[in-house]
Amino acid sequence: GAGVSQSPSNKVTEKGKDVELRCDPISGHTALYWYRQSLGQGLEFLIYFQGNSAPDKSGLPSDRFSAERTGGSVSTLTIQRTQQEDSAVYLCASSSTSGIFNEQFFGPGTRLTVL
Amino acid sequence: AQSVTQLDSHVSVSEGTPVLLRCNYSSSYSPSLFWYVQHPNKGLQLLLKYTSAATLVKGINGFEAEFKKSETSFHLTKPSAHMSDAAEYFCVVSDYSSASKIIFGSGTRLSIRP
Repeated sequence: GAGVSQSPSNKVTEKGKDVELRCDPISGHTALYWYRQSLGQGLEFLIYFQGNSAPDKSGLPSDRFSAERTGGSVSTLTIQRTQQEDSAVYLCASSSTSGIFNEQFFGPGTRLTVL
Repeated sequence: AQSVTQLDSHVSVSEGTPVLLRCNYSSSYSPSLFWYVQHPNKGLQLLLKYTSAATLVKGINGFEAEFKKSETSFHLTKPSAHMSDAAEYFCVVSDYSSASKIIFGSGTRLSIRP
């Protein structure tokens, strides 16, 4: 079946503009994660959704970042008033359930460049 | 609290020689440990995972890792490197303290010399 998809694959924006990044998880996967990968760095956890539970937003770096997941499927990560330090690859992953044993399936990422 | 340390940011080996990518972890609980690989311009892919069963875990593409609790290590090895192994490798730890807190190491870039 189809894997995790993300759109757009690349996004160039000007400082101060808002951006929306989209993630389509694997059908039936209840857990969805957003990560940020800056150049030469590991993955930084941003936010986690599990079913209908309240999301874990503890990784969001500032109140300019928000995310939602509609109908337990598609998720959108929104960055308001973008700054140059927001430039990174934003990765989405899903897994069949929450829990520490489960493999995450990653999308190809959205490369965000803030000029 | 969990943490994971990948001891080498870059490893370079010759084709056909052994690969060793080092990972140490810290966890308050019995952890699950993973290795993921990221090839250039491709998404992350699971190589292998340890979830408290056998301490020697075999993964895809001939890789394996051994969980050593006494050393808090989970090093990734392969007997003979292939050119296609050139990629970024991430060690990952998670435990029961939080299902959402899956901690990635900073990555090790593996280069293969012909």
